[in-house]
Amino acid sequence: NAGVTQTPKFQVLKTGQSMTLQCAQDMNHEYMSWYRQDPGMGLRLIHYSVGAGITDQGEVPNGYNVSRSTTEDFPLRLLSAAPSQTSVYFCASSPPAGYEQYFGPGTRLTVT
Amino acid sequence: GENVEQHPSTLSVQEGDSAVIKCTYSDSASNYFPWYKQELGKGPQLIIDIRSNVGEKKDQRIAVTLNKTAKHFSLHITETQPEDSAVYFCAASVPGGSYIPTFGRGTSLIVHP
Repeated sequence: NAGVTQTPKFQVLKTGQSMTLQCAQDMNHEYMSWYRQDPGMGLRLIHYSVGAGITDQGEVPNGYNVSRSTTEDFPLRLLSAAPSQTSVYFCASSPPAGYEQYFGPGTRLTVT
Repeated sequence: GENVEQHPSTLSVQEGDSAVIKCTYSDSASNYFPWYKQELGKGPQLIIDIRSNVGEKKDQRIAVTLNKTAKHFSLHITETQPEDSAVYFCAASVPGGSYIPTFGRGTSLIVHP
């Protein structure tokens, strides 16, 4: 199993550009989530999904969109990138209800 | 919603010493408390977890204790080694709904050889 994969590993965007961060898992996990990690701020939840077709907002959802058309994939879209979105983004998946989360290797995004 | 406080933000120890990281949570309904280790350039990885019906859990050199009355839990690492150097995150999950955990802000543990 590859586990949770994320692409790209690094990305530089200009303010106003849009892009999609890809996340895929091959463990047939129902739950998937997106976090951003900033220095001194820990892991903050952006959006999450409890199954295909079901998504919800986390702590810091503004400026990001998600969709979940399949169990395996959970892409994160930045509609109009801003410097405040410079961060490291982690995708995670888990089996239902209070179990271990499996994190991907992260995407380092810089917005200039 | 749940709020998790984690201390200290940085912890520096000598190899062989013990290290303790403490977390408090706000929602008394939380019942799952995992700890994650994040090595440089990688995603966090679960190292140990505890559920609310257990007061202590050990796995070799690491242990976690939980005090539900006081709403705090701690990670204990004994006989620290340089490879224990990493960022450690505590988290708490409230049952029902998403079970998505709320994370603390992390502790950077540095073990000096």
